[in-house]
Amino acid sequence: DADVTQTPRNRITKTGKRIMLECSQTKGHDRMYWYRQDPGLGLRLIYYSFDVKDINKGEISDGYSVSRQAQAKFSLSLESAIPNQTALYFCATSDYPRPYGRAGELFFGEGSRLTVL
Amino acid sequence: QKEVEQNSGPLSVPEGAIASLNCTYSDRVSQSFFWYRQYSGKSPELIMSIYSNGDKEDGRFTAQLNKASQYVSLLIRDSQPSDSATYLCAVIGGSNYKLTFGKGTLLTVNP
Repeated sequence: DADVTQTPRNRITKTGKRIMLECSQTKGHDRMYWYRQDPGLGLRLIYYSFDVKDINKGEISDGYSVSRQAQAKFSLSLESAIPNQTALYFCATSDYPRPYGRAGELFFGEGSRLTVL
Repeated sequence: QKEVEQNSGPLSVPEGAIASLNCTYSDRVSQSFFWYRQYSGKSPELIMSIYSNGDKEDGRFTAQLNKASQYVSLLIRDSQPSDSATYLCAVIGGSNYKLTFGKGTLLTVNP
């Protein structure tokens, strides 16, 4: 089984619908992230959480919300989906940074492809 | 706005050649640098990390870092068709340990 699991893997929905993307991990990492990827725009950070009680906005948080239900679970919600939220969404985890600024690598889930009609 | 810049490509090289991928970053206090490889439709995977000036070699991959020039590169020797992918440069700056990704360079290795 994958260490970082995203559900659903594919979803087609209509404008105005509420959508939740779920992420669970078995790596035991405290830090979890949601990214969105669009062709030509790279990976952009939506929200991140460094522990269960810590939630932070990323560079493109408008129109999204998150919930950190447990150390292992981090969900992304689109309260009212719109077509320009059509994208590939990735959840990722990382370990606590190592000494001397050597932060841990990101481990990505397989992605959730969302299409908003 | 902290930025990470990469040429979008596509970069096309023949099999067996050296592929050179470049990345510049704007945040002078950046301290950790990564190269991720992403096959089409798949998730990114880490292939190299580098933290200090100079070269770091791992198999056919060499990462080069020059903090004075705010420049990091990835060399792929003896390129193979299986190296065809998008390569993402990522940088951690400041103290919050968030990665900032470049937009990626598409590499195509022709048999």
